[in-house]
Amino acid sequence: QKEVEQDPGPLSVPEGAIVSLNCTYSNSAFQYFMWYRQYSRKGPELLMYTYSSGNKEDGRFTAQVDKSSKYISLFIRDSQPSDSATYLCAMSGLEDSSYKLIFGSGTRLLVRP
Amino acid sequence: GAVVSQHPSWVICKSGTSVKIECRSLDFQATTMFWYRQFPKQSLMLMATSNEGSKATYEQGVEKDKFLINHASLTLSTLTVTSAHPEDSSFYICSARDHQASGGARTDTQYFGPGTRLTVL
Repeated sequence: QKEVEQDPGPLSVPEGAIVSLNCTYSNSAFQYFMWYRQYSRKGPELLMYTYSSGNKEDGRFTAQVDKSSKYISLFIRDSQPSDSATYLCAMSGLEDSSYKLIFGSGTRLLVRP
Repeated sequence: GAVVSQHPSWVICKSGTSVKIECRSLDFQATTMFWYRQFPKQSLMLMATSNEGSKATYEQGVEKDKFLINHASLTLSTLTVTSAHPEDSSFYICSARDHQASGGARTDTQYFGPGTRLTVL
């Protein structure tokens, strides 16, 4: 079983739709949770960061962390074609791992005009 | 968000030559930087952890003599691919760790560079 599970997609939605991206994880010791967006041939861009449980909102993006269920989500409202990219969840905080990021496999999102 | 730069953005070299890639954190100091490799349509693969002023820590299966890492300052880490071969052709990405704790707020995340595409002929 992978430490972080993420549906690879692709996920195809019409412009304006609400997108829900999710990851599950197995290690309850993770403390820091991130979502990155990666366009083709570019480095990942940090979208959302959450420490411990809770919700965080930034513009059209909302990140949720449910540590009791070991489940994190990223919601994108009013999706735009420019949101088409691969979305990577990542987590860290394991003191015995030098704070490396553990990534999900990434979900490819396509927003159709 | 914080900015991390990488140079060059792409490089083509002949087999047997060495290539150096620079990673800089532009607006924060990073005692720890990471080097990743990414193949098409795959997730990032961590190669090594670069710590300022000390030796890098390599992941299992990564040849330390082939991928030389130097982290001489709090804003610069370099990756040198020595005696490059076509199988080393890949997308190399660095990241810099941003770690802060003040009051009740804690931050521990990584900001990534734009990546370097290496093609070895």
